Amino acid sequence: GEDVEQSLFLSVREGDSSVINCTYTDSSSTYLYWYKQEPGAGLQLLTYIFSNMDMKQDQRLTVLLNKKDKHLSLRIADTQTGDSAIYFCAEIVISSGGSYIPTFGRGTSLIVHP
Amino acid sequence: DSGVTQTPKHLITATGQRVTLRCSPRSGDLSVYWYQQSLDQGLQFLIQYYNGEERAKGNILERFSAQQFPDLHSELNLSSLELGDSALYFCASSVEFGAAPQETQYFGPGTRLLVL
Repeated sequence: GEDVEQSLFLSVREGDSSVINCTYTDSSSTYLYWYKQEPGAGLQLLTYIFSNMDMKQDQRLTVLLNKKDKHLSLRIADTQTGDSAIYFCAEIVISSGGSYIPTFGRGTSLIVHP
Repeated sequence: DSGVTQTPKHLITATGQRVTLRCSPRSGDLSVYWYQQSLDQGLQFLIQYYNGEERAKGNILERFSAQQFPDLHSELNLSSLELGDSALYFCASSVEFGAAPQETQYFGPGTRLLVL
């Protein structure tokens, strides 16, 4: 079975960088996703990385993938108070029916202090 | 606003009862996914429907069932409810059957179920 692990909390000061880490177990994962959940809302896809990539940058977001260690990280540069949310890491595996089904971590609560 | 709607927003019921949660996907999306988010289990995939047919099944209990109707809306039926079924239930939709990542899943705001 798959298991995705994340630390539960991260607290940073506004303007600093945040780094949220994740480990996964299924080596057949095709994509790895980062989702953001704001209070009272559903999940919103932030970014993703294909499993044959090492790094992906998207504006303030940088995703690093170490496939050997099955370690994924999300770096948010110049963190703002609006970035306060729960961040979920998810690995995607292909079901027998051809669907891409995510397995989520427990989520990391990012708290940004002014 | 993701374009996915879920009703009701909140539901309070008693153990042993049966409830139905409803989801309307984004316009044009053929695929619907159901997830359960609870404190002890985290966020878990339950089931996926594509154009009316079951496509993938996750950790869905036998007491739970779902269907997708010809107008593409979906319902999740939870029966013989237990205290442990209290959770936030999300619906998500995508255009196809989840050919990630361009056909990402768009999540609804969720239905919060409380079983007393």
